[in-house]
Amino acid sequence: SAVISQKPSRDICQRGTSLTIQCQVDSQVTMMFWYRQQPGQSLTLIATANQGSEATYESGFVIDKFPISRPNLTFSTLTVSNMSPEDSSIYLCSVEVGGGESYNEQFFGPGTRLTVL
Amino acid sequence: GDSVTQMEGPVTLSEEAFLTINCTYTATGYPSLFWYVQYPGEGLQLLLKATKADDKGSNKGFEATYRKETTSFHLEKGSVQVSDSAVYFCALSEGDKIIFGKGTRLHILP
Repeated sequence: SAVISQKPSRDICQRGTSLTIQCQVDSQVTMMFWYRQQPGQSLTLIATANQGSEATYESGFVIDKFPISRPNLTFSTLTVSNMSPEDSSIYLCSVEVGGGESYNEQFFGPGTRLTVL
Repeated sequence: GDSVTQMEGPVTLSEEAFLTINCTYTATGYPSLFWYVQYPGEGLQLLLKATKADDKGSNKGFEATYRKETTSFHLEKGSVQVSDSAVYFCALSEGDKIIFGKGTRLHILP
């Protein structure tokens, strides 16, 4: 298993500013992911955070808007840039841990609840 | 692409009632299937999983069976408790990616 912490747990920000969210894992993991959960919606994968290389973004998400860092195997950051009210969501970090079977289990952080005014 | 459809909520039941939350999926391959739960104020937790057809996942009294013929993975519990109140997400894995349904909010009344 893996224990994941995120900072901040919540924030209220002004339009046009940026917020960086931190994700810390208690063990080294290869795969880390960032998700967005908009109000009343499901989780949508933003990107895969790759250690030592650029993140891999899903369709509809771009690096200029959501820059990601992954300096080592236990830590990653997601920045939400030039925020607008439409960015108000819960942002979740997750990691993949080998389950010893044909799939690898993902563990999720507690999330960062962002409100943009 | 692959997708997950689950029943709309909220679902409100009395304590000790029988619970079913429907989930169907569309996939080109042979995904693993999951149910995640998000309790109020907490992060997402894996509730149960099934990795191949006819597998039954179970945990905390909840069960779900991987039905390839009906492409379904319905969540069931024989007798719900107030503490089961949460949002439940059906999901499938496509390689390293997980695709989630929209979630079903469950309210259990004492």
